[in-house]
Amino acid sequence: NAGVTQTPKFRVLKTGQSMTLLCAQDMNHEYMYWYRQDPGMGLRLIHYSVGEGTTAKGEVPDGYNVSRLKKQNFLLGLESAAPSQTSVYFCASSTRAGSYEQYFGPGTRLTVT
Amino acid sequence: GQQVMQIPQYQHVQEGEDFTTYCNSSTTLSNIQWYKQRPGGHPVFLIQLVKSGEVKKQKRLTFQFGEAKKNSSLHITATQTTDVGTYFCAPITGTASKLTFGTGTRLQVTL
Repeated sequence: NAGVTQTPKFRVLKTGQSMTLLCAQDMNHEYMYWYRQDPGMGLRLIHYSVGEGTTAKGEVPDGYNVSRLKKQNFLLGLESAAPSQTSVYFCASSTRAGSYEQYFGPGTRLTVT
Repeated sequence: GQQVMQIPQYQHVQEGEDFTTYCNSSTTLSNIQWYKQRPGGHPVFLIQLVKSGEVKKQKRLTFQFGEAKKNSSLHITATQTTDVGTYFCAPITGTASKLTFGTGTRLQVTL
């Protein structure tokens, strides 16, 4: 069981470039989430998904898009990166029942210059 | 949106001392989770509290949920260097078990 994995681990982009972050989970979880964490701050929810083919906006969705074509994968896209999107991005998943604890991936450190 | 404040923002203790972080909400919470994030790591789930006045223990860690369900605390007895990290409270808000993370308390423990 790998749990939640994220690729890539690090990335440097120039302003205006695009990229996709991939999150994969092998726990058959229904819910998946994308967060960003800025230095010295808590995590803020970008987008989330309650199941395959469905996505919804979180607290800070502007500048990001997501897709969940398969239950185990949740993709986060930046169409035109901006320096304000420099952050650490965490993906998480949880089951629909039980304790609702979220399992986090190791994170992707993104720098936009 | 809902805001959850944690105090203190940072605490530095000597190994063996106790540590407490407090989580305060302006609104009544249905439940609250606690997570620990080691430096350079990702958040790891510690516990969930649901009932008013609930107290749960995990070895040296004691978690409390206030009677009015507007605040919560985490107390660590006799800290160890392995306790270093940032502790976040996070109530579940809305649907899909979404979490609103608190501002976090960073704990530093020295020998």
